[in-house]
Amino acid sequence: EVQLLESGGGLVQPGGSLRVSCAASGFTFSTYALSWVRQAPGKGLEWVSSISSSGGNTYYADSVKGRFTISRDISRNTLYLQMNSLRAEDTAVYYCAKPVMTAVAAIFDYWGQGTLVTVSS
Amino acid sequence: EIVLTQSPATLSLSPGERATLSCRASQGVSSYLAWYQQKPGQAPRLLIYDASNRATGIPARFSGSGSGTDFTLTISSLEPEDFAVYYCQQRSNWPITFGQGTRLEIK
Repeated sequence: EVQLLESGGGLVQPGGSLRVSCAASGFTFSTYALSWVRQAPGKGLEWVSSISSSGGNTYYADSVKGRFTISRDISRNTLYLQMNSLRAEDTAVYYCAKPVMTAVAAIFDYWGQGTLVTVSS
Repeated sequence: EIVLTQSPATLSLSPGERATLSCRASQGVSSYLAWYQQKPGQAPRLLIYDASNRATGIPARFSGSGSGTDFTLTISSLEPEDFAVYYCQQRSNWPITFGQGTRLEIK
């Protein structure tokens, strides 16, 4: 059974940093691209970042480019999102998401339960 | 960036009725469009991918159509569990983008 378990969310001050993680199981981690999608309270879905199966290619939304870094550790079957220079508008539930097939990065059939990041003083 | 515009913002219908949700792209996305359902407090659920392919386990009452810039999600006969928010999403170009959502509520 595919499982994606996010952790690391919490309260952080504006300008601060936080790293969220997504522990994956139930599939061959090294063969799938993975992504982060966020949802601000009461708002819609916003794609944040994706990383290729090898980790060699990364993609970012303009709203986070230069501040967030996506990475993966194949030995730990874990996806990360390092978030720096956080702003109030980064407050959201952060989901990790797995695509439905290895050949396609962005059709998300499995999602984690999400981890809440709150940026506030 | 490709902008996806969903309409209507809110759709009020009764169980048993047919629901038609629209998603329009600011430029062509071929057939690279997906639909998701989200209920309160839950992660999104993939319904349809590549415009018309039902995801695993999705009931046949859900169907998708369209290509290029205009797409439709149809629910043929609404069940009580179908009342939720629906999002479209394109994967034709980076950045991946989502529509703003259509809330399907019970009339």
